[in-house]
Amino acid sequence: DAGVIQSPRHEVTEMGQEVTLRCKPISGHNSLFWYRQTMMRGLELLIYFNNNVPIDDSGMPEDRFSAKMPNASFSTLKIQPSEPRDSAVYFCASRDTRGSNQPQHFGDGTRLSIL
Amino acid sequence: DQQVKQNSPSLSVQEGRISILNCDYTNSMFDYFLWYKKYPAEGPTFLISISSIKDKNEDGRFTVFLNKSAKHLSLHIVPSQPGDSAVYFCAASPSGAGSYQLTFGKGTKLSVIP
Repeated sequence: DAGVIQSPRHEVTEMGQEVTLRCKPISGHNSLFWYRQTMMRGLELLIYFNNNVPIDDSGMPEDRFSAKMPNASFSTLKIQPSEPRDSAVYFCASRDTRGSNQPQHFGDGTRLSIL
Repeated sequence: DQQVKQNSPSLSVQEGRISILNCDYTNSMFDYFLWYKKYPAEGPTFLISISSIKDKNEDGRFTVFLNKSAKHLSLHIVPSQPGDSAVYFCAASPSGAGSYQLTFGKGTKLSVIP
């Protein structure tokens, strides 16, 4: 079974540039999550989609961050303009909410470095 | 304000012995608890979970215990194997409409020594 697929795995770019992270959830899962992991704050939820609709974006740090889910099999997280403090590992996760207490399944993350 | 705390950043255990990883939480609305395992350069992998209506859940070598009155859960790995060396994250969520909100601890790095 294909898991959650994220691309790119690594991204190094200069501050001020636009960064786009991509995620393909597990087929059949109807919920998608974007997380950010840093040493200081651990794993934090940025945004949650259910059936392609953003439900909770309260974790998005600033207007420079935006996320879209144009269809059930694809989502993007965009940072524009990027800043050095955005450097972190970004994870995408998906979940099937139609069963009770189903866990979230994570991709392998994108390690983002903003110089 | 950390709602889920893993107070031991690291733990070393001999192969074949028991590993016990601990987790405390403060939010009484948490109803469902999970453990994830993470290898370097990979995403967290779901390991085992427990609902608040239970006090124990077992899956092979892994057992999770929940003490609701103490707001404490633990993961037992018996026997420990070198392949268990990883970072273990405890996570919790409320039930109902907020069940998507997983709050994670900062992890405990387990090293199993051959």
